[in-house]
Amino acid sequence: TQLLEQSPQFLSIQEGENLTVYCNSSSVFSSLQWYRQEPGEGPVLLVTVVTGGEVKKLKRLTFQFGDARKDSSLHITAAQPGDTGLYLCAGGVTGTASKLTFGTGTRLQVTL
Amino acid sequence: NAGVMQNPRHLVRRRGQEARLRCSPMKGHSHVYWYRQLPEEGLKFMVYLQKENIIDESGMPKERFSAEFPKEGPSILRIQQVVRGDSAAYFCASSSNFATNEKLFFGSGTQLSVL
Repeated sequence: TQLLEQSPQFLSIQEGENLTVYCNSSSVFSSLQWYRQEPGEGPVLLVTVVTGGEVKKLKRLTFQFGDARKDSSLHITAAQPGDTGLYLCAGGVTGTASKLTFGTGTRLQVTL
Repeated sequence: NAGVMQNPRHLVRRRGQEARLRCSPMKGHSHVYWYRQLPEEGLKFMVYLQKENIIDESGMPKERFSAEFPKEGPSILRIQQVVRGDSAAYFCASSSNFATNEKLFFGSGTQLSVL
């Protein structure tokens, strides 16, 4: 069974601080996706990384896929209250369509 | 262009009743996926369907759960004889293709509460 563990589980920071969320597994994934989920809503895709070592930037968010494609990180620079939410990583494996394995989630709260 | 539509948003059932959850994929999408999110847990894959076909149901409980995606109309996730442990948020997602890194669009979910 493939598992994705995220750390930290909870993170409460003040506006302007930087943070990093980690997503780790003992399994290799062909792709890794990051989602953000608001309360009462479905996850919304932020980014997909597919190449080991790949780095993608989305404004203040930087995503990295590990060289061995077993782990990933999400770094947020100068966090804002609008970044508050549940961040989920999800791994995909070639040949299993979009049957994603989701991580345990990191709940981020950014306060003024 | 409407997104993935799920209804109802909230569903309350007593133990032993049936729950029917509906999902209309995005326009032009023919691939539908159902995921379940238990309190304080991540999303767990349940089933993947294309029109009139179940492609992968490896995440579906063996009993009481079934899913369909008919030629016409929404996809239905059906839970018979619900128990308290079925209480969860059920999310539907759709895509236009089946590639591994194809973008999934999720609906807002159905929150099922079993009394």
